[in-house]
Amino acid sequence: NAGVTQTPKFQVLKTGQSMTLQCAQDMNHEYMSWYRQDPGMGLRLIHYSVGAGITDQGEVPNGYNVSRSTTEDFPLRLLSAAPSQTSVYFCASSPMRTSGSYGYTFGSGTRLTVV
Amino acid sequence: GNSVTQMEGPVTLSEEAFLTINCTYTATGYPSLFWYVQYPGEGLQLLLKATKADDKGSNKGFEATYRKETTSFHLEKGSVQVSDSAVYFCALSGGGGYNKLIFGAGTRLAVHP
Repeated sequence: NAGVTQTPKFQVLKTGQSMTLQCAQDMNHEYMSWYRQDPGMGLRLIHYSVGAGITDQGEVPNGYNVSRSTTEDFPLRLLSAAPSQTSVYFCASSPMRTSGSYGYTFGSGTRLTVV
Repeated sequence: GNSVTQMEGPVTLSEEAFLTINCTYTATGYPSLFWYVQYPGEGLQLLLKATKADDKGSNKGFEATYRKETTSFHLEKGSVQVSDSAVYFCALSGGGGYNKLIFGAGTRLAVHP
């Protein structure tokens, strides 16, 4: 089925470890983004991309890197995990990069715990 | 900057009760407005949207009207079901030529039989 696929669904890391959260979409969407969801804080934008080779920072980018080498994939890298990065991470995509009228398609999320 | 404010939850209702979840926004220009729903253990799903003032978005019995004069986009449903229990997020497009969405904190709805 077409959509946004995130892997893994669950992950436990030790402080200082690094890892990559994967996100792939098969809808040829130009716009992709990463959010983190924390209790009482809604969703906060980490990084986003408006097309292959183009990325930019969102509201809470520190401690995370992204790249966009293809239209389909938008991985999120945690460089050195910290307990403050314990959260649920969502990847989302949208078909139009210059219009704000399209909604997002979300992945099912990755629940990350840093101990 | 742009922002979205939602009423705090949790909201607890009996089945068939009327639902209102308030949402107000601050934005420059003319953003699009959205409601997303998150069922337990799942990602967010687009519930409805409105792209200009006075537009009414509707889906699955839910409605919301884009009120520019009051900068509001309240979500309503005339008769809720147990299956509507979820977290509801109001959001607006960030403008600036890109499709960034800014979310409210979310409102948890619990519907009891």
